[in-house]
Amino acid sequence: DAGVIQSPRHEVTEMGQEVTLRCKPISGHDYLFWYRQTMMRGLELLIYFNNNVPIDDSGMPEDRFSAKMPNASFSTLKIQPSEPRDSAVYFCASRTSGGQETQYFGPGTRLLVL
Amino acid sequence: EDQVTQSPEALRLQEGESSSLNCSYTVSGLRGLFWYRQDPGKGPEFLFTLYSAGEEKEKERLKATLTKKESFLHITAPKPEDSATYLCAVLAGGSYIPTFGRGTSLIVHP
Repeated sequence: DAGVIQSPRHEVTEMGQEVTLRCKPISGHDYLFWYRQTMMRGLELLIYFNNNVPIDDSGMPEDRFSAKMPNASFSTLKIQPSEPRDSAVYFCASRTSGGQETQYFGPGTRLLVL
Repeated sequence: EDQVTQSPEALRLQEGESSSLNCSYTVSGLRGLFWYRQDPGKGPEFLFTLYSAGEEKEKERLKATLTKKESFLHITAPKPEDSATYLCAVLAGGSYIPTFGRGTSLIVHP
């Protein structure tokens, strides 16, 4: 299995631009999570989906952030407009609904907003 | 509110110098405690899941243990390649969202 796949791995953009991060979860996993990691705040959950449906988006910082999961193998996290304080590493993780309930993380997207 | 505290924040060891990392938690109804390893520029990599007090799991030089209030990650005779940040997370109650600690940054000097 290829594991969780994220793209791009690095993104540098200017303030005000739209940023789209992409994630392909592990096949067969029905939960998908988006996290943000910074030195100041550690790992923060932004939103998670179950069977492509958003369940909890209380961690989404503000309306500039949106996430979609149009099918079981693809999700996007969009920031519009981006701001310098959005600079962080964004991780996607997936897991199954049973078993060990372990989340498996992707390699992350390192975002820098200038 | 569920809380997970990891200590120390940072740890420097000499190669071969065994030590332990701590993860203390305050949750209602623990369902699982997870240990992850995170290398710079990479996502957290799953190491262990522990489900109940008294449980232990081992992988190479790492051994994770669990009590009702905390978990320890013991590192025996560490090598420089064990250098990484170690994260712990707990799943409790009816939540599907694990609570992560801030991590312990481990550096093992040759």
